[in-house]
Amino acid sequence: DVKVTQSSRYLVKRTGEKVFLECVQDMDHENMFWYRQDPGLGLRLIYFSYDVKMKEKGDIPEGYSVSREKKERFSLILESASTNQTSMYLCASSPGTEAFFGQGTRLTVV
Amino acid sequence: AQSVTQLGSHVSVSEGALVLLRCNYSSSVPPYLFWYVQYPNQGLQLLLKYTSAATLVKGINGFEAEFKKSETSFHLTKPSAHMSDAAEYFCAVSSYKLIFGSGTRLLVRP
Repeated sequence: DVKVTQSSRYLVKRTGEKVFLECVQDMDHENMFWYRQDPGLGLRLIYFSYDVKMKEKGDIPEGYSVSREKKERFSLILESASTNQTSMYLCASSPGTEAFFGQGTRLTVV
Repeated sequence: AQSVTQLGSHVSVSEGALVLLRCNYSSSVPPYLFWYVQYPNQGLQLLLKYTSAATLVKGINGFEAEFKKSETSFHLTKPSAHMSDAAEYFCAVSSYKLIFGSGTRLLVRP
């Protein structure tokens, strides 16, 4: 089975902190994605990556950056956390068709 | 540009009744289309996918969806709802990046 692991299920951070969300996949997939999920808005794409060190902006990249130094790991970085970044963050990996998701990280910024 | 529209943020059916969740998409190239399900406090699970083979696609748990190019639709159906089908359902399109709709929460009444 494909396994996508997000480092934390729940996280509480203070405004202005730099926050790292980590995601690891074990299936050698080329593509990895970060989404945020908010009620009534579905999943919105923040960033995605087609290969190591390659990244592309999604629909809502402002306030975020990403890092993909190794194929299996895709990190989402909140440079200076703000309360409007309180959300559920979902990581996914894909071989090119369907995506496989992690369990999500519920981030609260206070 | 790709987009997905799911009609109805909430759908309520009686147990045993037909389930119909609507999805319309736009894509400039032939797309891959997906339906995912999310149970409370869990990540997303793939229900079914369309990848340009048969237009009627069968998925897990008795769900199926029909790709209609002329209507740019990919509606999800199940002949008889079960209480365990209560969840949130997301339609998604992929031709370059994976884009999701806003989701439909299915409620099943006893």
